[in-house]
Parts: sequence; C-alpha cells; structure tokens
Amino acid sequence: EAGVAQSPRYKIIEKRQSVAFWCNPISGHATLYWYQQILGQGPKLLIQFQNNGVVDDSQLPKDRFSAERLKGVDSTLKIQPAKLEDSAVYLCASSWGTVGELFFGEGSRLTVL
Amino acid sequence: GENVEQHPSTLSVQEGDSAVIKCTYSDSASNYFPWYKQELGKGPQLIIDIRSNVGEKKDQRIAVTLNKTAKHFSLHITETQPEDSAVYFCAPPGALNFGKGTSLLVTP
Repeated sequence: EAGVAQSPRYKIIEKRQSVAFWCNPISGHATLYWYQQILGQGPKLLIQFQNNGVVDDSQLPKDRFSAERLKGVDSTLKIQPAKLEDSAVYLCASSWGTVGELFFGEGSRLTVL
Repeated sequence: GENVEQHPSTLSVQEGDSAVIKCTYSDSASNYFPWYKQELGKGPQLIIDIRSNVGEKKDQRIAVTLNKTAKHFSLHITETQPEDSAVYFCAPPGALNFGKGTSLLVTP
C-alpha cells in the first residue's frame, strides 16, 4: 500500500513570497489533515478535511494560509505571503475516519528567509 | 479541541532499562489513545494505541496503560534499545495539537 505522498520535501523562500505544498493521501482515506511542526514542538493542527469538506480550521491563519481538497482526494496548502515564523515542517496525514490511526507523509520543510 | 500535557520532555536511559512517558488529557469523552514515534526527518508513526474499554495493551516491548479516572495514559518501553531513541508524542482524538513530545535517548 502506498503511503502519504508530499511534495516538495524542501522549500526555501524569502519573506512575503508565496509557497504551495501538495499532499496525496492513502487511497480510500476520507480524512486528511495538515499539521505545522515547528522545530522542537509537537505537530499543530492547521486544518482537517472529511472528504472535500472542512471539519476544523480553527487554528489556520486564514489571512495568509489557505487549503483545499478538490474531489476529496489530493490537497494543497498555500501560504501567501510567508513570514519568518512560518518556517516549519508541514505534515500531511490521512486516516479512514475521524478516530483511529493517522498515517503521515514525510513532510515538507519550509525555510523563510 | 482539548490540549494534552506530556511528561517528561526529555528522558535518557541506559540500554536495557525501562522508559515511561505519561500523557494527561482533559476530554472525558475521549475513547482512543495513541502513541506516535517520530524519527529525525520523518513523519510520526503510530506505535501503539488503546481503546477506552481496556486498561492495558502490550505489543512485545511496548505497552500502553490507561487510567480514565485520572485522565492519563502512559507509554511503557521495556528492555530499551538504541533504536528506540526518537521523539514520542501522544495525541488523543479531539486534540487539536499533539503533546509537546518526549525526546528519548537510549545510550549503549
């Protein structure tokens, strides 16, 4: 079974630029999550999708972050404009439902200069 | 969503010793309690989980115990090995964020 795919693995941008991350979840997984993990901290939930609907985006900085999950499969997370404090690893995870094991991708590491 | 508290933040043990990490949660409706292991440069991976209808679950050297009255669950690793060195996180459902993590170092 293929795992959660994320790209790019690494991205370096200057502040005020934009960036987009892509995630392809495990086939059949209805729930998809985007987490932000700052160095030395635990993952922080940015947004949770159930199929193509948003379940929770209460911690998503909506003035600069946006995410979509078209057709309930792939998802993209965009940051525009980026700030220095956005430097982090962005993790995508998927699961069958809302309770149970989360399967994580390897993450996209963003450095904002 | 609730928050979780995880202790200790760092733990150093000698190879062969046991390690225990504790996670405290607040949502009494929680019924699923997972522990994840994260190695450097990788995403977290589930190592063990427990449902609320049991008090303990074991998988070889790893066990999880649940105390619903006190609202905490613990990860137990016995006969630790250097490859157990990693960061461990708890994340009950409904929690917006994972615990802050426990960095476990197993020295030979």
